[in-house]
Amino acid sequence: DAKTTQPTSMDCAEGRAANLPCNHSTISGNEYVYWYRQIHSQGPQYIIHGLKNNETNEMASLIITEDRKSSTLILPHATLRDTAVYYCIPGNQLIWGAGTKLIIKP
Amino acid sequence: DAGVIQSPRHEVTEMGQEVTLRCKPISGHDYLFWYRQTMMRGLELLIYFNNNVPIDDSGMPEDRFSAKMPNASFSTLKIQPSEPRDSAVYFCASNFLGIGRESTDTQYFGPGTRLTVL
Repeated sequence: DAKTTQPTSMDCAEGRAANLPCNHSTISGNEYVYWYRQIHSQGPQYIIHGLKNNETNEMASLIITEDRKSSTLILPHATLRDTAVYYCIPGNQLIWGAGTKLIIKP
Repeated sequence: DAGVIQSPRHEVTEMGQEVTLRCKPISGHDYLFWYRQTMMRGLELLIYFNNNVPIDDSGMPEDRFSAKMPNASFSTLKIQPSEPRDSAVYFCASNFLGIGRESTDTQYFGPGTRLTVL
């Protein structure tokens, strides 16, 4: 399975767009990239996934580079409730890294 | 659907005692996953089942841990005897299409059981 690199932590002002990067340079051609988040004391929650094309849903947008070696999760208008740990997981969704702790500040 | 249900939500026990954690997956899901989360090691897969059959238990730490799925709506994770290093949050997750490189089904997690072994 592909390995990932994510920043340990990030801050973002409330109401601004939060952009969370993920490097997955060893991803295979047919492996999807999944994003989950884990709010404190809760189970992880699915956000979005993609293969090659950019994706958007009601929670977020996912931008995948053309070479598929990295992706960016975008929360367009961050709120305090978006404070969580965000995980980028390529492949079979069984190996989880440390994720990025995103703190939204008022 | 109520989502994945886990019980108990919190468990405090003494070293050497048997601990049983329970999980009810989402109805219709035929894959069930058990994870353990600690500050030091993050989220680790322990075992997963497909149609009640264990598929991969390579993440189970040692013989003190065992998991069963007697039917499609119930699974248990048992630790006997428990040790302080087993203290963690244990999550159960389920999905319909399982995992794999081309699978697009996502996992649905329960709220977790916080286990403290004194």
